[in-house]
Amino acid sequence: EAGVTQSPTHLIKTRGQQATLRCSPISGHTSVYWYQQALGLGLQFLLWYDEGEERNRGNFPPRFSGRQFPNYSSELNVNALELEDSALYLCASSLDAQNIQYFGAGTRLSVL
Amino acid sequence: GIQVEQSPPDLILQEGANSTLRCNFSDSVNNLQWFHQNPWGQLINLFYIPSGTKQNGRLSATTVATERYSLLYISSSQTTDSGVYFCAPTEGGGNKLTFGTGTQLKVEL
Repeated sequence: EAGVTQSPTHLIKTRGQQATLRCSPISGHTSVYWYQQALGLGLQFLLWYDEGEERNRGNFPPRFSGRQFPNYSSELNVNALELEDSALYLCASSLDAQNIQYFGAGTRLSVL
Repeated sequence: GIQVEQSPPDLILQEGANSTLRCNFSDSVNNLQWFHQNPWGQLINLFYIPSGTKQNGRLSATTVATERYSLLYISSSQTTDSGVYFCAPTEGGGNKLTFGTGTQLKVEL
């Protein structure tokens, strides 16, 4: 059984551009979570999607947004990129909102 | 929100040694997971342990929810155990994981 898959592995953008990160959950999982791991800031919760709806949001500005598709895959969009958005973005999925979260390998975003 | 503290922040062991990593949290928790982050950034699930004790090979974990702490035991450490260990509880009624600052473990030959 495939785990959580994320693409791309690496992404290089310049300040002001937009970035789109993708995540496919484990088959059968309906909840998808996004976390940011920035240098010096640790792992922080970004967004939670379940059954196509945004259920919870971390302390991030509105230029961080996303969506969940009918097949439960998810997209994270970051608009108007800033240098401090450079980080490892990790996606996780769970069977439902109360269950164990399994993580993908992450997308490393570099903003130049 | 919940505060999570992990200790020690850094740990260097000789191969074969045992260690205990601690995670303190400030409020009641629904769930608690322990992870190992490898050098490539992948978070590997170790334990889902909101309470009680579990064992998996050389690793075991104990959570005492009433006293708001969890312990991860590593026995007979190996160089492949190197990396960062995170505990991440979820608050009562919530679903987001709140990560501690981690314990950076290095196991030397």
